[in-house]
Amino acid sequence: NAGVTQTPKFQVLKTGQSMTLQCAQDMNHEYMSWYRQDPGMGLRLIHYSVGAGITDQGEVPNGYNVSRSTTEDFPLRLLSAAPSQTSVYFCASSPDRVSYEQYFGPGTRLTVT
Amino acid sequence: DAKTTQPPSMDCAEGRAANLPCNHSTISGNEYVYWYRQIHSQGPQYIIHGLKNNETNEMASLIITEDRKSSTLILPHATLRDTAVYYCIVRVFGTRGATNKLIFGTGTLLAVQP
Repeated sequence: NAGVTQTPKFQVLKTGQSMTLQCAQDMNHEYMSWYRQDPGMGLRLIHYSVGAGITDQGEVPNGYNVSRSTTEDFPLRLLSAAPSQTSVYFCASSPDRVSYEQYFGPGTRLTVT
Repeated sequence: DAKTTQPPSMDCAEGRAANLPCNHSTISGNEYVYWYRQIHSQGPQYIIHGLKNNETNEMASLIITEDRKSSTLILPHATLRDTAVYYCIVRVFGTRGATNKLIFGTGTLLAVQP
């Protein structure tokens, strides 16, 4: 199993541009989520999904959209990038919404200029 | 979910036990204590969790006080590869309507010294 994969590893955007961060898992996990991590801070939850077709907002959802059309994929869309969205983004998955262990991807480092 | 308090940083000599404390004085009866770690620039990694009994796995031991207001993560023989930020998280587990949201604080940076 590849586990949780994220692409791209690095991305630079100009203010106002849009893009999609990709996240995929091959473990048939129901639960997937997106976090962002700013320098010197812990991770903050952006959006999560408890299964295909079901998504919900986390702590910091503004400026981001998600969808979950398949079990494997959970893309994060930045609608109009802002410098405040400069961060490292982590995707995570777990077998279901109550599993004690979550598996994190390697992260995408995004810079918005 | 209850709030946790951890020291911002700790040092440990290689080969010695690393004891990382966490205070969670407002923990409620159905909240578990979780530990994750994040090695530089990588995604967090699950270590261990517990409710009220002490727990041990291949990575670490978790000691929870009898009143459950604090806990200690023990790495029995720290190596240089254990240098990381360690997060103590308290959350409800397994209850109806629960979701797998983790609330991360700023954690403890453990520096293992050669």
